[in-house]
Amino acid sequence: RKEVEQDPGPFNVPEGATVAFNCTYSNSASQSFFWYRQDCRKEPKLLMSVYSSGNEDGRFTAQLNRASQYISLLIRDSKLSDSATYLCAVTSGSSNTGKLIFGQGTTLQVKP
Amino acid sequence: DAGVIQSPRHEVTEMGQEVTLRCKPISGHDYLFWYRQTMMRGLELLIYFNNNVPIDDSGMPEDRFSAKMPNASFSTLKIQPSEPRDSAVYFCASKRGSEQYFGPGTRLTVT
Repeated sequence: RKEVEQDPGPFNVPEGATVAFNCTYSNSASQSFFWYRQDCRKEPKLLMSVYSSGNEDGRFTAQLNRASQYISLLIRDSKLSDSATYLCAVTSGSSNTGKLIFGQGTTLQVKP
Repeated sequence: DAGVIQSPRHEVTEMGQEVTLRCKPISGHDYLFWYRQTMMRGLELLIYFNNNVPIDDSGMPEDRFSAKMPNASFSTLKIQPSEPRDSAVYFCASKRGSEQYFGPGTRLTVT
């Protein structure tokens, strides 16, 4: 079993739709969680950190469920520009070194 | 502020040749990471440094790969000799605190 797993998709949604991605992780000691966005042939860019209490940034909401060991990303009112691959990242174990394990990514295509 | 800088952006080389990838982290960041990304294996951590010292190189695929960080503003990843299966995008990332920031990557093709 991979340490971090994501549904690769693609998720094809119309503009204005709400879409949610989940990411499961296997190491219960992991402390920090992140969502990155990666456009085609570009580097991953930090979208948001995921806090225990959940956090929101505009149309994006991230949540953490430690009991079930998953994090989620909700995108409301999807825009064409949201089309990208979304990578979740989890710290490897309890250390604070920042060593991240990445999921394979979930591809989102927003259609007009 | 300048982000993480990598060079070259693209490299095409023949099997058996030595390849050197370069990275300048964000000023003030004390961690530096080297990743490799392929369609098959996704984004994999190869090695990371803290204050210029290699901490974990367990992701380095084999002895053909080596990385150095002679000072806080420069790191290299070397492949010698290169093989076609090394073709990938190599990213450098740096951090201070919890959040990592990636460079634009080097797209390596070994023929």
